[in-house]
Amino acid sequence: RKEVEQDPGPFNVPEGATVAFNCTYSNSASQSFFWYRQDCRKEPKLLMSVYSSGNEDGRFTAQLNRASQYISLLIRDSKLSDSATYLCVARGTDKLIFGTGTRLQVFP
Amino acid sequence: SQTIHQWPATLVQPVGSPLSLECTVEGTSNPNLYWYRQAAGRGLQLLFYSVGIGQISSEVPQNLSASRPQDRQFILSSKKLLLSDSGFYLCAWSVQREVGYTFGSGTRLTVV
Repeated sequence: RKEVEQDPGPFNVPEGATVAFNCTYSNSASQSFFWYRQDCRKEPKLLMSVYSSGNEDGRFTAQLNRASQYISLLIRDSKLSDSATYLCVARGTDKLIFGTGTRLQVFP
Repeated sequence: SQTIHQWPATLVQPVGSPLSLECTVEGTSNPNLYWYRQAAGRGLQLLFYSVGIGQISSEVPQNLSASRPQDRQFILSSKKLLLSDSGFYLCAWSVQREVGYTFGSGTRLTVV
């Protein structure tokens, strides 16, 4: 079983749509969680941290459910520029464990 | 502000040739440093990490090695490249345990 699992997608959504990604992690001791965004052939960039109480950054909302060991990312009012791969990340011992990513394609 | 430099951006090397990729961080001291590889269409695989000069932890046994000769310098090497070493190599750094990593712009390696 992978330590961090994501649906690879792709998710094809029209501009303005709301889209949600889920991710599960296997290590119940993980304490920190993140979402990264990776554009094609570029390095991953930190999108947002994920806090137990849930947190929002503009159109992006992240949620953590420790009991079920899953993390979610909600994107509202999708823009063409949101097209990218979104990586779910959990902190293991001394390192971050990355999921394989969920690809999002926003079309006009 | 902190910056991370990684070079070269692209590299084409023949099978059996040596490899040396360098990563340097500016604007911070005693960073944790990481080497990841991303094969085409695959996820990020942690190769090595270092919490201090001369301290290297290897995650995956393979024909790659890493060294940290200076506080803010991390080098990935191979004596003889294999075709399977092709991929996108990413260096990353962090300072605190509870923050995310910042990645360099990566080196796209093609072994032919």
